[in-house]
Amino acid sequence: DAGVIQSPRHEVTEMGQEVTLRCKPISGHDYLFWYRQTMMRGLELLIYFNNNVPIDDSGMPEDRFSAKMPNASFSTLKIQPSEPRDSAVYFCASSLWNSGANVLTFGAGSRLTVL
Amino acid sequence: GDSVTQMEGPVTLSEEAFLTINCTYTATGYPSLFWYVQYPGEGLQLLLKATKADDKGSNKGFEATYRKETTSFHLEKGSVQVSDSAVYFCALCTQGGSEKLVFGKGTKLTVNP
Repeated sequence: DAGVIQSPRHEVTEMGQEVTLRCKPISGHDYLFWYRQTMMRGLELLIYFNNNVPIDDSGMPEDRFSAKMPNASFSTLKIQPSEPRDSAVYFCASSLWNSGANVLTFGAGSRLTVL
Repeated sequence: GDSVTQMEGPVTLSEEAFLTINCTYTATGYPSLFWYVQYPGEGLQLLLKATKADDKGSNKGFEATYRKETTSFHLEKGSVQVSDSAVYFCALCTQGGSEKLVFGKGTKLTVNP
């Protein structure tokens, strides 16, 4: 398996523009997570899905952020409009729930810079 | 809520030195505990895990023991290498509860030759 695939790897945009980050999870995994990593706040869970259904979006910072998972092999995280404080590395991770331990496989991340 | 506290970094060691990175947790119930590692420019990857008290997780020379009495899961390695330079994250997942992992803030380790 190619692992969790994220695109783009790097995105530079101007404030106010729409940003769409994409994720392809590992085939067969039933959970998908979106995390954001910054120096100040560390790793923050934004939202996660189980079998394509959003389970917990309490970490989504505000209405400018939205995430979808239209099928088991694809998810998007959208920011509209983007702001400089959204600059971060966004990670997608997937897992196959195994009773007693949830082991995540992370993608390489999408580094977003909002000017 | 559930939380993980790691020792603040950065940690700088010479090759072959002994490594300890402290991790303590607060959780309801009986969590599973993890150490993840992030090499420069990459995503996190699982290093080791333990699912119940007194379990020892081990991988690549790293070890951590689940200590329920002290709510700790300290990471140790007897002899570090330059290639171990990375950021290490302690994390927990509450069994029978939420499927989401709660991460510590990470500890950056630099190993010099």
